[in-house]
Amino acid sequence: AQKVTQAQTEISVVEKEDVTLDCVYETRDTTYYLFWYKQPPSGELVFLIRRNSFDEQNEISGRYSWNFQKSTSSFNFTITASQVVDSAVYFCALSAPSGGYQKVTFGTGTKLQVIP
Amino acid sequence: DGGITQSPKYLFRKEGQNVTLSCEQNLNHDAMYWYRQDPGQGLRLIYYSQIVNDFQKGDIAEGYSVSREKKESFPLTVTSAQKNPTAFYLCASRERSLYGYTFGSGTRLTVV
Repeated sequence: AQKVTQAQTEISVVEKEDVTLDCVYETRDTTYYLFWYKQPPSGELVFLIRRNSFDEQNEISGRYSWNFQKSTSSFNFTITASQVVDSAVYFCALSAPSGGYQKVTFGTGTKLQVIP
Repeated sequence: DGGITQSPKYLFRKEGQNVTLSCEQNLNHDAMYWYRQDPGQGLRLIYYSQIVNDFQKGDIAEGYSVSREKKESFPLTVTSAQKNPTAFYLCASRERSLYGYTFGSGTRLTVV
């Protein structure tokens, strides 16, 4: 079975603070893909990043960065110098052969509130 | 602009009625998906379709039905057999397996 755990249900930070959203996953497969999505209040999920299991390089995109560690089965997401526009629900997701690549498993989401 | 259009944004249904949610995409994606979102439960897969005239059940297909007669369209019918249909429904598509999804803006269904 595959599982994604986002233990942080809600996080509040003051604007310009850095914040890290945790994601821990479980899968018996050696090849798999991890994703992060952002869901603003409008409801539409926005794709942020995809990472495959063979690429453990950290990724940085502007104020966003992702830390992938296979040893701890984690794929954490950090927002540097947070802004009010970052307020949203963030989902981590996993796609692996044993779950059927078509069946992406989502975590329960972390609601981030950035206070001005 | 390419994207996914879901309609309506809000939908109210009386108990015992079937209702159909629309999902249209102009991205030329082969695969389309329906997810249900409930508070605190993340997204759960209802049905998916990888090609026209073919679809597969997801994890919570009971009480739902779909069709895929055209590549662009993947409507979801919530039947009266669905015991707890009030939820936020999201349609998605993707170009190829393992790529990220493109999501629609969702339909919020409320049973009254």
